[in-house]
Amino acid sequence: GAVVSQHPSRVICKSGTSVKIECRSLDFQATTMFWYRQFPKQSLMLMATSNEGSKATYEQGVEKDKFLINHASLTLSTLTVTSAHPEDSSFYICSASPIDNQPQHFGDGTRLSIL
Amino acid sequence: GESVGLHLPTLSVQEGDNSIINCAYSNSASDYFIWYKQESGKGPQFIIDIRSNMDKRQGQRVTVLLNKTVKHLSLQIAATQPGDSAVYFCAEKREGDNTDKLIFGTGTRLQVFP
Repeated sequence: GAVVSQHPSRVICKSGTSVKIECRSLDFQATTMFWYRQFPKQSLMLMATSNEGSKATYEQGVEKDKFLINHASLTLSTLTVTSAHPEDSSFYICSASPIDNQPQHFGDGTRLSIL
Repeated sequence: GESVGLHLPTLSVQEGDNSIINCAYSNSASDYFIWYKQESGKGPQFIIDIRSNMDKRQGQRVTVLLNKTVKHLSLQIAATQPGDSAVYFCAEKREGDNTDKLIFGTGTRLQVFP
């Protein structure tokens, strides 16, 4: 149980393109989902907390107009990287927890490469 | 042994030996800790967790030790296998605005050789 699915797993696109990444909880409902970014050989850095039915909470230094988050239902959150540039190339990972105070379960990530 | 440099700290162990991966956390108010295993190209996978009211918890082949006095967490893997090769992260939970969020440590790469 507690499966989190991300799509797509890999995106390669030109600079200036906007890219949408989906995160779904397959067998549970999640009022809260989390979006992380991971650069090579580094740890996961929390970008934002996605809240169903309300605005996302962004971490310091993360541009909310650059990284648009929508949590339209209890099983789906989307991250849109707007006007992506090469420096946005990274591994984006989402997570969700079926119950508060229980471990977060992670998707398998999306490798974003901006040319 | 361990090495720290421009890359992730790496722990190299021989198959069958026990592994100990260490983690220092920063917030004395953190009350929940998790160890994750991340294989190449995949998301982190839950291994074991521990709450601050405990100092030890055991799972299958894994043990987590928590020392709140020095804010230190360790993961012990018994009889390490090639399939254990991965990057291991500790994560601490801090109270967020409306929900709890995890803060990840820097990670340790475990390499298992025959």
